[in-house]
Amino acid sequence: ETGVTQSPTHLIKTRGQQVTLRCSSQSGHNTVSWYQQALGQGPQFIFQYYREEENGRGNFPPRFSGLQFPNYSSELNVNALELDDSALYLCASSLGIRAYNEQFFGPGTRLTVL
Amino acid sequence: EDKVVQSPLSLVVHEGDTVTLNCSYEVTNFRSLLWYKQEKKAPTFLFMLTSSGIEKKSGRLSSILDKKELFSILNITATQTGDSAVYLCAGLYDGGATNKLIFGTGTLLAVQP
Repeated sequence: ETGVTQSPTHLIKTRGQQVTLRCSSQSGHNTVSWYQQALGQGPQFIFQYYREEENGRGNFPPRFSGLQFPNYSSELNVNALELDDSALYLCASSLGIRAYNEQFFGPGTRLTVL
Repeated sequence: EDKVVQSPLSLVVHEGDTVTLNCSYEVTNFRSLLWYKQEKKAPTFLFMLTSSGIEKKSGRLSSILDKKELFSILNITATQTGDSAVYLCAGLYDGGATNKLIFGTGTLLAVQP
């Protein structure tokens, strides 16, 4: 197992609600990337945070927002949930924005929107 | 639009077989090609390939990148039931200050005893 943790493990919400997902980076890692993985699909890049600043964003609407804290843990917030937001949400941490060969994924949060 | 396509989508083999998984990519500002194994939830890193034609090996797994033809293959020899997983490849877009991974949909490998 990696040192990346995510909470909660599972979550059920209804359309229109808001949700906050949390990610704790591996010790010493200052970069966190968030991905959405729908069933049967590969992960889709949402955004990346480096030293508390957003450092790149994928093709997701503004209702997907994030934060990175001084200890480099991170949150993903999704407002006005839609049915299509149902997915596994993965975060991955690394030391630096290019250390993909040393990027570790967390176990994910399974979000179900009813 | 950037895209990564993997084939086959799924594969069933018997223990001891050799398998080849394919990945083609069209990624602007391409820097590297990465392979991951996803068993339950968290993808685990296998290889990162940046140079064309240089094979990388790890035990029974090996991979190579062809930057002229824009594809990569992942080989697994003497497969074991523990190799059963989804194998993901991803192209690394390098935009300078920002970069991102563009994943394919994955190949589901089932190894039967």
